[in-house]
Amino acid sequence: AQSVTQLGSHVSVSEGALVLLRCNYSSSVPPYLFWYVQYPNQGLQLLLKYTTGATLVKGINGFEAEFKKSETSFHLTKPSAHMSDAAEYFCAVSENTNAGKSTFGDGTTLTVKP
Amino acid sequence: GAGVSQTPSNKVTEKGKYVELRCDPISGHTALYWYRQSLGQGPEFLIYFQGTGAADDSGLPNDRFFAVRPEGSVSTLKIQRTERGDSAVYLCASSSGQQNSPLHFGNGTRLTVT
Repeated sequence: AQSVTQLGSHVSVSEGALVLLRCNYSSSVPPYLFWYVQYPNQGLQLLLKYTTGATLVKGINGFEAEFKKSETSFHLTKPSAHMSDAAEYFCAVSENTNAGKSTFGDGTTLTVKP
Repeated sequence: GAGVSQTPSNKVTEKGKYVELRCDPISGHTALYWYRQSLGQGPEFLIYFQGTGAADDSGLPNDRFFAVRPEGSVSTLKIQRTERGDSAVYLCASSSGQQNSPLHFGNGTRLTVT
């Protein structure tokens, strides 16, 4: 069985500040890990994913995440927040046998203050 | 090109009624997934199709829920004897079916059971 915990259902940062959204997972097999973003009235959009190889993964819009096996974490970061980053962010884990069958966290709503 | 299309975008129905939710995946995508997202939660896996067959239906909550994909493209999620607890956003996603291929989500159908 797999699970995902996103620490903090709401995160607020100032424009230009560091964004850090936390995600911890549990998995009995080597995981695939994902971050998705959901803008209001839009579908989920893949930000980045980790499957194998390099543990620091870069995604779209300047976001990146680091897979830390020892900490079972996959935190999402961005050095400088933009107003357009305001959205809901979901972390997800899947087994490497079917990357599409994912277990999602409950999401973190990011607010960016001017 | 066109993304994943879900219709209707909103559906209001009375308790006990039957509903059908439609998903048009990206052309050529062999894998199709249904998820359900309740308020304040992340998406929850329901069922996965590879081609025409349901490869994994372990997420369907009970036998009132059924999904088909008769020609390996469009899929319909069917809910019988709807209950108020079925109210949620139903998400469809498709992928090329390769092991690491990303999911492409539709905007969802918001189902409200009154």
